[in-house]
Amino acid sequence: DAKTTQPNSMESNEEEPVHLPCNHSTISGTDYIHWYRQLPSQGPEYVIHGLTSNVNNRMASLAIAEDRKSSTLILHRATLRDAAVYYCILRRQGGSEKLVFGKGTKLTVNP
Amino acid sequence: DAGVTQSPTHLIKTRGQQVTLRCSPKSGHDTVSWYQQALGQGPQFIFQYYEEEERQRGNFPDRFSGHQFPNYSSELNVNALLLGDSALYLCASSLAGTGVTGELFFGEGSRLTVL
Repeated sequence: DAKTTQPNSMESNEEEPVHLPCNHSTISGTDYIHWYRQLPSQGPEYVIHGLTSNVNNRMASLAIAEDRKSSTLILHRATLRDAAVYYCILRRQGGSEKLVFGKGTKLTVNP
Repeated sequence: DAGVTQSPTHLIKTRGQQVTLRCSPKSGHDTVSWYQQALGQGPQFIFQYYEEEERQRGNFPDRFSGHQFPNYSSELNVNALLLGDSALYLCASSLAGTGVTGELFFGEGSRLTVL
């Protein structure tokens, strides 16, 4: 499984944008980039995924570098409810469907 | 629409005992996976069940076993409990055929403490 690297922690202020980085320098052409987050005392929840192009949904945006060796999850206006551990995960087309979690980035949102 | 439900939410066992954890998948989902999450770590894949068979397995000993029923619900059994088995056990459901672009839905987990 290709490896991802994320900062251990980040801090943000409420109502400000947050950019969560992820490095995946050994990514292969068929690896999808997925983001999940885990709020306190809950199971992980899906946030967004992409392959090559930038993606937007109601929760967040995903910006993928042109060489695909890094990506950034963007929360446009952080709320207190966005405080969670964010996991960047690679999933290979035709490969195992399991999710391989690292330690993720713990996001703290200050009021 | 009920999401993934797990039971029990918390339980305490002693070393050497056996435990059974239960999971009901999200309505319409037919595939169930189990993950173990130690404190401060990301979840680790245990195994996946589809059509009542174990389809994939992570790096866990045979003390960890499972079952899937015809209604797609699932059980995780752990025998001969060790202190290191203390963790949050998460169940995730998905729909077969969605592959690696499909979304997994997780339950809130069962917190197991082994004394």
